[in-house]
Amino acid sequence: QVQLVQSGAEVKKPGASVKVSCKASGYTFTSYDINWVRQATGQGLEWMGWMNPNSGNTGYAQKFQGRVTMTRNTSTSTAYMELSTLRSEDTAVYYCAKVFEKAQDAFDIWGQGTMVTVSS
Amino acid sequence: SYELTQPPSVSVSPGQTARITCSGDALPRQFAYWYQQKPGQAPVLVTYKDSERPSGIPERFSGSSSGTIATLTISGVQAEDEADYYCQSLDSNAPLFGGGTKLTVL
Repeated sequence: QVQLVQSGAEVKKPGASVKVSCKASGYTFTSYDINWVRQATGQGLEWMGWMNPNSGNTGYAQKFQGRVTMTRNTSTSTAYMELSTLRSEDTAVYYCAKVFEKAQDAFDIWGQGTMVTVSS
Repeated sequence: SYELTQPPSVSVSPGQTARITCSGDALPRQFAYWYQQKPGQAPVLVTYKDSERPSGIPERFSGSSSGTIATLTISGVQAEDEADYYCQSLDSNAPLFGGGTKLTVL
């Protein structure tokens, strides 16, 4: 079945970087954009950016410009999101999500989420 | 900046109809999408392009949009529908989520 499986929880110190992976299976990885969305505990969903796995083209939310990098490895069907210069406010669950074939502004398949904790 | 506004909470008894609204100035020009999120789980797309339903989503979930208000309607609410619901649309071609609505089934 179509699924996205993310890497495990991370604990980082302020100022460090984190790289989260998202492995796709059950569909052609290069056919659909991957987006990243985060959610702080008890808070709402926040869109971070998108990546086209075929071209490698990316687009980032203004809030994260300069701090986030989205990449991919097509040979392993894996997308990556790296966030640098971490601060406590970056503590959140990070999700990857595949765009929906019938509505490419929506997300039909989500990863299970990766908890990133930023603490000294 | 542009926002999508949802009520923080909605309560309904089992079998009744729940309506969750999402207000945004661009909704007359942009589609609305709705997600259900249960505790500890990833969101699930329940409606798209205002009123379409993905395969596998029960028929009791329906969406509509009129003017600046999009609405998710859950008919014959069941206990399992208790969850957070988020609307989503676009702001200058970037996805934007509403603040979320907690649906409580009494």
